[in-house]
Amino acid sequence: EAAVTQSPRSKVAVTGGKVTLSCHQTNNHDYMYWYRQDTGHGLRLIHYSYVADSTEKGDIPDGYKASRPSQENFSLILELASLSQTAVYFCASSPDSRGTEVFFGKGTRLTVV
Amino acid sequence: GQQVQQSPASLVLQEGENAELQCNFSSTATQLQWFYQSPGGSLVSLLSNPSGTKHTGRLTSTTVTKERRSSLHISSSQTTDSGTYLCATAGQGGRALIFGTGTTVSVSP
Repeated sequence: EAAVTQSPRSKVAVTGGKVTLSCHQTNNHDYMYWYRQDTGHGLRLIHYSYVADSTEKGDIPDGYKASRPSQENFSLILELASLSQTAVYFCASSPDSRGTEVFFGKGTRLTVV
Repeated sequence: GQQVQQSPASLVLQEGENAELQCNFSSTATQLQWFYQSPGGSLVSLLSNPSGTKHTGRLTSTTVTKERRSSLHISSSQTTDSGTYLCATAGQGGRALIFGTGTTVSVSP
């Protein structure tokens, strides 16, 4: 069964600190995505990647970096965490861009204090 | 860029009632997906329906591509249908899904 694993599942970070959220998929999918979810905003696309060693900016990339060192792994990096980045972050994978098969991780709840 | 609007924002049902959820998007797209998010937060794909009508279980989706809208009909609702229903369509040049803000459904026994 398709699997996307996120770590950590929750984290409390200090304002100004560096945070790395990790995502690992065993689906052999080319596409991977990072979304954030805030109350009232649904899911918003931060970064995505369709091939290893390459990432693309989504709709809200400011304050975030992404890294795709291998097909299986996709990280989201907050170099200087801010209060406004408190949210739930979801990673997803898909075999192609058609969106007919998208598998999500369970999410990471990030609280910046 | 692509924008997706969903209505209503929330819906309260008695078990057994039907519901109709709406999704409107700003640009014509060849992709349209409906997702379910459980109260615990997990997201699963319900169905993909870029055009026409599709059924799965008690769910029916109808998408009219040229009018840039899709609907999701839930028949004979059950308490286990409670959660948030998200509509998503293509953005980023067709390389990623862009989501609406969702419709939260609450079904009481």
